Amino acid sequence: AQKVTQAQTEISVVEKEDVTLDCVYETRDTTYYLFWYKQPPSGELVFLIRRNSFDEQNEISGRYSWNFQKSTSSFNFTITASQVVDSAVYFCALSPFAGGTSYGKLTFGQGTILTVHP
Amino acid sequence: EAGVTQFPSHSVIEKGQTVTLRCDPISGHDNLYWYRRVMGKEIKFLLHFVKESKQDESGMPNNRFLAERTGGTYSTLKVQPAELEDSGVYFCASSHRGSEQYFGPGTRLTVT
Repeated sequence: AQKVTQAQTEISVVEKEDVTLDCVYETRDTTYYLFWYKQPPSGELVFLIRRNSFDEQNEISGRYSWNFQKSTSSFNFTITASQVVDSAVYFCALSPFAGGTSYGKLTFGQGTILTVHP
Repeated sequence: EAGVTQFPSHSVIEKGQTVTLRCDPISGHDNLYWYRRVMGKEIKFLLHFVKESKQDESGMPNNRFLAERTGGTYSTLKVQPAELEDSGVYFCASSHRGSEQYFGPGTRLTVT
């Protein structure tokens, strides 16, 4: 069975602070995908990133960066110099790799509510 | 390119009534998924279509839920009869082959 844990239910920061959202996962699969999605107040889930399990290189995209550590089963997300527009619910998710009947099935964490104050 | 659309955005029904949710995936996406988030809990997988076939329906809670995807385009999710615990936000997502899933805005279902 797969499980994703986002221990931080809510985080509140002041604009320009850096913030890290934690994600820990459990899976018996040797290959898998990890994701982060953002849910702004409008409600839709916005795709941010997908990483596969055999690529542990950290990734940076503008103010966003992701730290994947297979040894600790973690896929943390850092926002540098946070802005009010970053306020949203952030979900970490896990899915099996290609193949098998459960291909594509996302297992989500509980979500972290991030509030960035001006 | 239009994103995933869902209709209605919000539905309020009484216990025992029937509700049908609709999802229009991104054009050309063979994979279509339904998920649900019950208040305060995580988003949970319901089922996965590949074209018109059900690939995985392991997340469907019970036989009051019926999903269809006739012709491999849009999909409907019918709840009959609705119960109080069915309240939540129902999300639809679509993907092309092995790509990431793109989500719709969700349908908020309230059963009173």
